[in-house]
Order: sequence, then structure tokens, then C-alpha cells
Amino acid sequence: NAGVTQTPKFQVLKTGQSMTLQCAQDMNHEYMSWYRQDPGMGLRLIHYSVGAGITDQGEVPNGYNVSRSTTEDFPLRLLSAAPSQTSVYFCASSTSVLETQYFGPGTRLLVL
Amino acid sequence: DAKTTQPTSMDCAEGRAANLPCNHSTISGNEYVYWYRQIHSQGPQYIIHGLKNNETNEMASLIITEDRKSSTLILPHATLRDTAVYYCIVRVGMNTGFQKLVFGTGTRLLVSP
Repeated sequence: NAGVTQTPKFQVLKTGQSMTLQCAQDMNHEYMSWYRQDPGMGLRLIHYSVGAGITDQGEVPNGYNVSRSTTEDFPLRLLSAAPSQTSVYFCASSTSVLETQYFGPGTRLLVL
Repeated sequence: DAKTTQPTSMDCAEGRAANLPCNHSTISGNEYVYWYRQIHSQGPQYIIHGLKNNETNEMASLIITEDRKSSTLILPHATLRDTAVYYCIVRVGMNTGFQKLVFGTGTRLLVSP
């Protein structure tokens, strides 16, 4: 198993550009989520999904969209990047809502 | 949401036990305590979790006080590779049924030779 994979590892955007952060897992996990981590801080929940076709907002959803068309993939979209979205983004997955979440290696995003 | 309070940093000698404290005085009765660590800004790595009882696995032990207001993560024989930021986390249930992890700022553990 590759576990949770994320691409790209690093990205630089200009203000107003759009992009999609990819997240995939090969463990057949139903639950997937996106977190962001700002310097010196813990992770904060952006969006999450409890299964294909079902998504919901976390603590800091503004400026981000998600979709879940398959069990394996959970992409995070930035429609119009802003400098405040400069952060490290982590994707996580778990077998159920009560089980341990496993995190990917992260995507480091810089918005100029 | 329940919050956790941890020391900003701690030092430990290689081979000695590392005891990392955490306060979570506002934790609710059904909220679990989780510990994750993050090495060199990699993805957080699960260590251990518990509700009321003490727990032990191949990585660490978790001691939770009887009133559940604090806990201690114990790495019995710290190695240089245990140098990382350790997060004490409360798992909080949302009204949608999802369980989110509420991260604090963590403890930076430095293990020295």
C-alpha cells in the first residue's frame, strides 16, 4: 500500500490563480479530510468527506472547494488563490469516523 | 472545542524516558485523547490514543489521570529519531457525526546524544 499520497509536493501561485491539490489513498478508506498548517500552529480542518459523493465543511472552508467522486480521491480546489492561503496542506483518511486518521506527506503552497 | 496545553519544548537524553505532559481540562466525557508527532514538517504520524484507561503500544505509553484533565505520553527509551513536534489532540465529534482532530501547538522534543 502506498497509503495516502499527495501531489504536488510544492507549488508557487500568483494571487488569483487557481489550482487543484490532489489526494489519493489506496486503503479503501471511507473518510477523508483536508487540513492546513500555518507556521508554528497545529492543523486546522478545511473540508471532509464521509464517503463518495458526500462532503462537508470544516473549521476554515472559505476559499476552498472539494468533491469526492470516487472512494480513492479527494481533491482540494483553490478557485482564486490569495496570499492568506500560503500554508502546508495535509490530506488524511480513515476507515471509519472513530478510527485513526492517517496523514499524507503534505503539499507546501506559496501564494505571491 | 476542548483545547490542549503543552510545553513549548522539552529536552531528553538519548536512551532515557521522555515524558511529555498535556493538559486538557475542558475535555468532555466521550472525547478521546490522541497523540501524533510530526518530523521535519512531514505528515503527522499517529502514536497512541485513549479515553480513560492507560494505554501502551510498541511506540509509547499513555497515562491519563482519573479526572481526565491531563495526560502524559511516555517514550520509554528515546532515540535521536524521536526528535519531533508532539501533538496532544482531542478528538471532537461534530454535529454531522464526523470526528475531527483539534490540534494545539505541540511540544518540540529534542533528543540529544
